[in-house]
Amino acid sequence: KQEVTQIPAALSVPEGENLVLNCSFTDSAIYNLQWFRQDPGKGLTSLLLIQSSQREQTSGRLNASLDKSSGRSTLYIAASQPGDSATYLCAVNTGNQFYFGTGTSLTVIP
Amino acid sequence: EAQVTQNPRYLITVTGKKLTVTCSQNMNHEYMSWYRQDPGLGLRQIYYSMNVEVTDKGDVPEGYKVSRKEKRNFPLILESPSPNQTSLYFCASSSPGPRLCTYEQYFGPGTRLTVT
Repeated sequence: KQEVTQIPAALSVPEGENLVLNCSFTDSAIYNLQWFRQDPGKGLTSLLLIQSSQREQTSGRLNASLDKSSGRSTLYIAASQPGDSATYLCAVNTGNQFYFGTGTSLTVIP
Repeated sequence: EAQVTQNPRYLITVTGKKLTVTCSQNMNHEYMSWYRQDPGLGLRQIYYSMNVEVTDKGDVPEGYKVSRKEKRNFPLILESPSPNQTSLYFCASSSPGPRLCTYEQYFGPGTRLTVT
């Protein structure tokens, strides 16, 4: 069974800092990996989707990379802002099913 | 506006009283799914549906039922709710991309269920 781990569980950084969130998965047989943002009490917002054949995807200040063979993905956030404060989740798609990590709670301090 | 809607958003009920949480999407997506989110456990998939009349179990299907009679709707049914089903529930939908199985999921706002 696929297991997805996110480290660290919580992160607090000053505004303007660049940061990296980590996601690891145990089975490299995935179709894609998706990063989400979740605000307290809210649903999930898709940030980036990386297909298994891709190495990275970029959207604005966000860059996600994927190393399928080693079972790792990173989400890089440049020049962090207080509005980036949220929980970030990664999810892997094994074809029909999705497996989520438990998330990294990010706080950006003004 | 393209969206996934869930109703109700909040529900408090008692053990054993049957309930249904509705989910509807207006994006003509084939794939729909239900998740529950619990502290420390993350999101876990309950059931999913590849298309109309096609449903399958996820990781935690016990105590739940689903049906997919129409493409847009995917209700979650709790025949006899128990306190351990107290959780935050999310419905999601997606459509294949250019390559088969390249899904990007879109989530509803969530339903917070409390079973006493």
